[in-house]
Amino acid sequence: AAGVIQSPRHLIKEKRETATLKCYPIPRHDTVYWYQQGPGQDPQFLISFYEKMQSDKGSIPDRFSAQQFSDYHSELNMSSLELGDSALYFCASSLRGGAHKDTQYFGPGTRLTVL
Amino acid sequence: AQKVTQAQTEISVVEKEDVTLDCVYETRDTTYYLFWYKQPPSGELVFLIRRNSFDEQNEISGRYSWNFQKSTSSFNFTITASQVVDSAVYFCALSPETSGSRLTFGEGTQLTVNP
Repeated sequence: AAGVIQSPRHLIKEKRETATLKCYPIPRHDTVYWYQQGPGQDPQFLISFYEKMQSDKGSIPDRFSAQQFSDYHSELNMSSLELGDSALYFCASSLRGGAHKDTQYFGPGTRLTVL
Repeated sequence: AQKVTQAQTEISVVEKEDVTLDCVYETRDTTYYLFWYKQPPSGELVFLIRRNSFDEQNEISGRYSWNFQKSTSSFNFTITASQVVDSAVYFCALSPETSGSRLTFGEGTQLTVNP
């Protein structure tokens, strides 16, 4: 079965640079979520979208922005990168109906390293 | 506010032992979902199970079983006859029963199964 696709899988940036992470949800899934996981920590929710509209917002820095496009894929834009932004970034997707309603399935993650 | 507590930071067992991972949650929502996810050393987050707050029926899937007790706000996970491949970090998570809502994760339990 098709899973959530994230690109790139690994990204190395310098401080103050920008980065764009992409997420392609499971086909027919309409909701996408972004999480940040620091080393040895649990995933922290950043933001979610349904039908291109923001559904929920967590502790996402003002330097970050995200959007969902008409084909349901999503992008997380990160600017003025800081050392503390180094983390594993997960995208998840879910469907609003059906037997597995609202179950979030995660992608493999993008490992961002800021030098 | 929602909170998930996994009091066991690390558990180490010998292969074929049974092991139970504890999860206690707090929420003011009357309806909610509970989840368990597995994060192996490779880093991905693998969905294991979702329970609705109104469904306290315990579930068994192969060597895995889950005990949901609303009276004690607990959702414990038992692995029977553990195997080395079960070694991973296991996260318990909670979300409101509202589409597009965030997952609140516990801090995770690192399970090591030794041969």
